[in-house]
Amino acid sequence: DVKVTQSSRYLVKRTGEKVFLECVQDMDHENMFWYRQDPGLGLRLIYFSYDVKMKEKGDIPEGYSVSREKKERFSLILESASTNQTSMYLCASSYTGSYGYTFGSGTRLTVV
Amino acid sequence: AQSVTQPDIHITVSEGASLELRCNYSYGATPYLFWYVQSPGQGLQLLLKYFSGDTLVQGIKGFEAEFKRSQSSFNLRKPSVHWSDAAEYFCAVGEAGNTPLVFGKGTRLSVIA
Repeated sequence: DVKVTQSSRYLVKRTGEKVFLECVQDMDHENMFWYRQDPGLGLRLIYFSYDVKMKEKGDIPEGYSVSREKKERFSLILESASTNQTSMYLCASSYTGSYGYTFGSGTRLTVV
Repeated sequence: AQSVTQPDIHITVSEGASLELRCNYSYGATPYLFWYVQSPGQGLQLLLKYFSGDTLVQGIKGFEAEFKRSQSSFNLRKPSVHWSDAAEYFCAVGEAGNTPLVFGKGTRLSVIA
Protein backbone atom coordinates (compact mmCIF):
# COMPACT_ATOMS: atom_id res chain seq x y z
CA ASP A 1 0.00 0.00 0.00
CA VAL A 2 1.41 3.37 -0.99
CA LYS A 3 2.13 5.71 1.84
CA VAL A 4 3.03 9.13 3.03
CA THR A 5 4.49 8.81 6.50
CA GLN A 6 4.81 11.65 8.94
CA SER A 7 7.24 10.81 11.67
CA SER A 8 5.18 11.99 14.64
CA ARG A 9 1.43 12.02 15.26
CA TYR A 10 1.71 14.28 18.28
CA LEU A 11 4.49 16.64 19.26
CA VAL A 12 4.87 19.10 22.13
CA LYS A 13 7.64 21.66 21.91
CA ARG A 14 8.67 24.74 23.86
CA THR A 15 8.64 28.27 22.53
CA GLY A 16 11.91 29.11 20.82
CA GLU A 17 12.86 25.51 20.03
CA LYS A 18 13.87 24.47 16.53
CA VAL A 19 11.38 21.88 15.35
CA PHE A 20 11.70 19.38 12.53
CA LEU A 21 8.66 17.71 10.99
CA GLU A 22 9.55 14.84 8.72
CA CYS A 23 7.60 13.44 5.79
CA VAL A 24 8.56 10.42 3.71
CA GLN A 25 6.74 8.98 0.70
CA ASP A 26 7.35 5.63 -0.94
CA MET A 27 5.63 6.30 -4.29
CA ASP A 28 8.48 8.00 -6.18
CA HIS A 29 6.37 11.16 -6.40
CA GLU A 30 8.07 14.27 -7.73
CA ASN A 31 5.89 16.75 -5.84
CA MET A 32 5.60 17.23 -2.12
CA PHE A 33 3.63 19.74 -0.08
CA TRP A 34 3.27 20.99 3.46
CA TYR A 35 -0.07 22.38 4.65
CA ARG A 36 -1.23 23.50 8.05
CA GLN A 37 -4.80 22.96 9.11
CA ASP A 38 -6.59 25.13 11.63
CA PRO A 39 -10.26 25.12 12.66
CA GLY A 40 -12.27 27.46 10.48
CA LEU A 41 -9.32 28.18 8.19
CA GLY A 42 -9.07 24.92 6.27
CA LEU A 43 -5.76 23.91 4.73
CA ARG A 44 -3.18 26.57 4.01
CA LEU A 45 -0.09 25.90 1.93
CA ILE A 46 3.22 26.55 3.65
CA TYR A 47 5.83 25.28 1.16
CA PHE A 48 6.01 22.88 -1.75
CA SER A 49 8.65 21.20 -3.85
CA TYR A 50 8.61 19.84 -7.38
CA ASP A 51 12.04 18.26 -7.29
CA VAL A 52 14.99 17.45 -5.11
CA LYS A 53 16.66 20.57 -3.67
CA MET A 54 13.88 22.69 -5.08
CA LYS A 55 11.37 24.61 -2.94
CA GLU A 56 8.68 27.20 -3.44
CA LYS A 57 6.90 29.36 -0.91
CA GLY A 58 3.21 28.83 -0.42
CA ASP A 59 0.71 31.22 1.09
CA ILE A 60 2.05 31.29 4.66
CA PRO A 61 5.81 30.58 4.64
CA GLU A 62 6.77 33.02 7.40
CA GLY A 63 8.45 31.29 10.32
CA TYR A 64 9.03 28.09 8.35
CA SER A 65 11.67 26.63 6.08
CA VAL A 66 11.94 23.31 4.27
CA SER A 67 14.53 20.85 3.09
CA ARG A 68 14.39 18.29 0.31
CA GLU A 69 17.72 16.53 -0.02
CA LYS A 70 16.21 13.28 -1.29
CA LYS A 71 13.21 12.71 -3.52
CA GLU A 72 11.28 10.75 -0.93
CA ARG A 73 11.78 13.07 2.03
CA PHE A 74 10.45 16.58 2.63
CA SER A 75 11.15 18.21 5.97
CA LEU A 76 9.40 21.21 7.47
CA ILE A 77 11.47 23.28 9.89
CA LEU A 78 10.20 25.73 12.44
CA GLU A 79 13.28 27.85 13.09
CA SER A 80 12.06 29.18 16.43
CA ALA A 81 8.72 27.73 17.42
CA SER A 82 6.02 30.09 18.62
CA THR A 83 2.63 29.43 20.17
CA ASN A 84 0.84 30.62 17.02
CA GLN A 85 2.40 27.69 15.19
CA THR A 86 0.36 25.27 17.26
CA SER A 87 -1.56 23.44 14.57
CA MET A 88 -2.11 20.24 12.59
CA TYR A 89 0.52 19.85 9.88
CA LEU A 90 -0.26 17.76 6.82
CA CYS A 91 2.21 16.51 4.25
CA ALA A 92 1.10 15.42 0.78
CA SER A 93 2.73 14.14 -2.39
CA SER A 94 1.77 13.63 -6.03
CA TYR A 95 3.10 12.79 -9.47
CA THR A 96 3.74 15.70 -11.80
CA GLY A 97 0.58 16.38 -13.81
CA SER A 98 -1.57 14.31 -11.48
CA TYR A 99 -3.71 15.77 -8.76
CA GLY A 100 -4.12 12.56 -6.87
CA TYR A 101 -2.57 13.98 -3.74
CA THR A 102 -1.75 11.36 -1.13
CA PHE A 103 -1.79 12.77 2.36
CA GLY A 104 -0.03 11.68 5.50
CA SER A 105 -1.97 11.25 8.73
CA GLY A 106 -0.77 14.59 10.05
CA THR A 107 1.31 15.82 12.96
CA ARG A 108 -0.47 17.70 15.68
CA LEU A 109 2.07 20.15 17.06
CA THR A 110 1.58 22.00 20.30
CA VAL A 111 3.98 24.79 21.20
CA VAL A 112 3.95 25.75 24.87
CA ALA B 1 -6.23 33.92 -7.98
CA GLN B 2 -8.19 30.77 -7.45
CA SER B 3 -10.50 30.49 -4.48
CA VAL B 4 -12.93 27.96 -3.11
CA THR B 5 -15.98 28.63 -0.95
CA GLN B 6 -17.77 26.04 1.08
CA PRO B 7 -20.76 27.95 2.44
CA ASP B 8 -21.73 25.42 5.10
CA ILE B 9 -19.42 25.05 8.08
CA HIS B 10 -21.41 22.25 9.69
CA ILE B 11 -24.25 20.05 8.44
CA THR B 12 -26.24 17.46 10.36
CA VAL B 13 -28.21 14.78 8.54
CA SER B 14 -30.09 11.69 9.62
CA GLU B 15 -28.73 8.30 8.70
CA GLY B 16 -30.33 7.19 5.45
CA ALA B 17 -31.12 10.71 4.32
CA SER B 18 -29.65 12.27 1.21
CA LEU B 19 -26.73 14.67 1.37
CA GLU B 20 -25.52 17.61 -0.66
CA LEU B 21 -22.42 19.59 0.24
CA ARG B 22 -21.90 22.83 -1.60
CA CYS B 23 -18.75 24.11 -3.22
CA ASN B 24 -18.26 27.24 -5.30
CA TYR B 25 -15.03 28.19 -6.97
CA SER B 26 -13.54 31.25 -8.54
CA TYR B 27 -11.30 30.63 -11.49
CA GLY B 28 -11.03 32.01 -15.01
CA ALA B 29 -10.43 28.90 -17.08
CA THR B 30 -11.72 25.38 -16.72
CA PRO B 31 -10.67 24.29 -13.26
CA TYR B 32 -9.63 20.92 -11.99
CA LEU B 33 -11.98 20.16 -9.09
CA PHE B 34 -11.71 17.73 -6.19
CA TRP B 35 -13.45 16.53 -3.11
CA TYR B 36 -11.48 15.10 -0.19
CA VAL B 37 -12.70 13.57 3.07
CA GLN B 38 -10.95 13.66 6.43
CA SER B 39 -11.95 11.30 9.19
CA PRO B 40 -11.16 12.43 12.73
CA GLY B 41 -7.43 12.43 13.43
CA GLN B 42 -6.57 11.34 9.91
CA GLY B 43 -5.16 12.81 6.73
CA LEU B 44 -7.26 13.59 3.68
CA GLN B 45 -8.51 10.96 1.26
CA LEU B 46 -9.50 11.72 -2.33
CA LEU B 47 -13.20 11.05 -2.96
CA LEU B 48 -13.44 12.14 -6.59
CA LYS B 49 -12.08 14.56 -9.15
CA TYR B 50 -13.19 16.38 -12.28
CA PHE B 51 -10.83 17.40 -15.08
CA SER B 52 -13.04 17.42 -18.18
CA GLY B 53 -15.76 15.50 -19.98
CA ASP B 54 -18.88 14.22 -18.29
CA THR B 55 -19.92 16.78 -15.70
CA LEU B 56 -21.28 14.14 -13.32
CA VAL B 57 -18.44 12.24 -11.73
CA GLN B 58 -18.60 9.18 -9.54
CA GLY B 59 -16.30 8.64 -6.62
CA ILE B 60 -15.59 6.21 -3.87
CA LYS B 61 -17.92 5.37 -0.98
CA GLY B 62 -21.02 6.05 -3.12
CA PHE B 63 -20.37 9.78 -3.57
CA GLU B 64 -20.88 11.75 -6.75
CA ALA B 65 -20.40 15.38 -7.74
CA GLU B 66 -21.68 17.55 -10.54
CA PHE B 67 -19.72 20.31 -12.24
CA LYS B 68 -21.90 23.25 -13.24
CA ARG B 69 -19.88 25.86 -15.10
CA SER B 70 -22.73 28.39 -15.20
CA GLN B 71 -22.96 28.34 -11.42
CA SER B 72 -19.23 27.87 -10.74
CA SER B 73 -20.19 24.99 -8.53
CA PHE B 74 -19.07 21.45 -7.83
CA ASN B 75 -21.49 20.06 -5.25
CA LEU B 76 -21.00 16.70 -3.61
CA ARG B 77 -23.95 14.35 -3.21
CA LYS B 78 -24.80 11.02 -1.71
CA PRO B 79 -28.29 9.47 -1.90
CA SER B 80 -28.21 7.73 1.48
CA VAL B 81 -25.82 8.71 4.24
CA HIS B 82 -24.27 6.16 6.60
CA TRP B 83 -23.05 6.91 10.10
CA SER B 84 -19.49 6.22 8.91
CA ASP B 85 -19.73 9.23 6.56
CA ALA B 86 -19.39 11.58 9.52
CA ALA B 87 -16.19 13.47 8.74
CA GLU B 88 -14.92 16.75 7.38
CA TYR B 89 -15.17 17.32 3.65
CA PHE B 90 -12.94 19.61 1.63
CA CYS B 91 -13.44 20.93 -1.85
CA ALA B 92 -10.30 21.92 -3.77
CA VAL B 93 -9.44 23.57 -7.07
CA GLY B 94 -6.37 23.33 -9.24
CA GLU B 95 -5.30 24.21 -12.74
CA ALA B 96 -3.18 22.79 -15.52
CA GLY B 97 0.52 23.30 -14.99
CA ASN B 98 0.93 21.51 -11.69
CA THR B 99 0.25 24.44 -9.39
CA PRO B 100 -0.73 23.44 -5.86
CA LEU B 101 -4.34 22.84 -5.00
CA VAL B 102 -6.33 25.49 -3.18
CA PHE B 103 -8.65 24.09 -0.54
CA GLY B 104 -11.90 25.36 0.88
CA LYS B 105 -12.35 25.72 4.61
CA GLY B 106 -14.25 22.50 4.90
CA THR B 107 -17.71 21.30 5.88
CA ARG B 108 -18.10 19.12 8.92
CA LEU B 109 -20.76 16.45 8.52
CA SER B 110 -22.52 14.95 11.52
CA VAL B 111 -24.81 11.95 11.11
CA ILE B 112 -27.57 11.25 13.63
CA ALA B 113 -29.63 8.14 14.11
